[in-house]
Amino acid sequence: DTAVSQTPKYLVTQMGNDKSIKCEQNLGHDTMYWYKQDSKKFLKIMFSYNNKELIINETVPNRFSPKSPDKAHLNLHINSLELGDSAVYFCASSSGTDYNEQFFGPGTRLTVL
Amino acid sequence: SQKIEQNSEALNIQEGKTATLTCNYTNYSPAYLQWYRQDPGRGPVFLLLIRENEKEKRKERLKVTFDTTLKQSLFHITASQPADSATYLCARPYGGATNKLIFGTGTLLAVQP
Repeated sequence: DTAVSQTPKYLVTQMGNDKSIKCEQNLGHDTMYWYKQDSKKFLKIMFSYNNKELIINETVPNRFSPKSPDKAHLNLHINSLELGDSAVYFCASSSGTDYNEQFFGPGTRLTVL
Repeated sequence: SQKIEQNSEALNIQEGKTATLTCNYTNYSPAYLQWYRQDPGRGPVFLLLIRENEKEKRKERLKVTFDTTLKQSLFHITASQPADSATYLCARPYGGATNKLIFGTGTLLAVQP
């Protein structure tokens, strides 16, 4: 039983294209996140949703737009892809209460050519 | 600004020895620190959480300490095994939200048989 799943696992695309990454969690959690891990392995939060509402938006270019159709799903759409967007994107979820650990998906490796 | 610093150099140890990884933070002490393990090509996996008022936490062969005077957490793996080889990430909450995490860059541990 996969707790947090992401699709696709790999995404290779050309500069200027628009792409989406999907995330689903079956843990019943209220809070979901998107993280970006760059080539230096630095993991940085991008967005967080709690019960479909955006609660964290970390100075991310507005080419990135998260969408949460329900609390079990959080998708990430990226417009006009740039070379610097190449990274691994992780979705995560947590119960949203204080101190609770985050459960991460397997990641989506995005390569922009 | 609040930062988390981990030794970016890899730590190489012999099987059976104790591995000790360091996490230093800046500014005020966080309400808690979390430790995660990340294997290549996978998402981080939660290991342990230690609260500000706890000096030490144990889980099987893992031990974490929290020293608010030194602004430091130490992560120990006793009787290390090659299967413990991975990158270990330290994380703290920031920005006043206790479920919003900032991660360190991680320390790569390699346990030699």
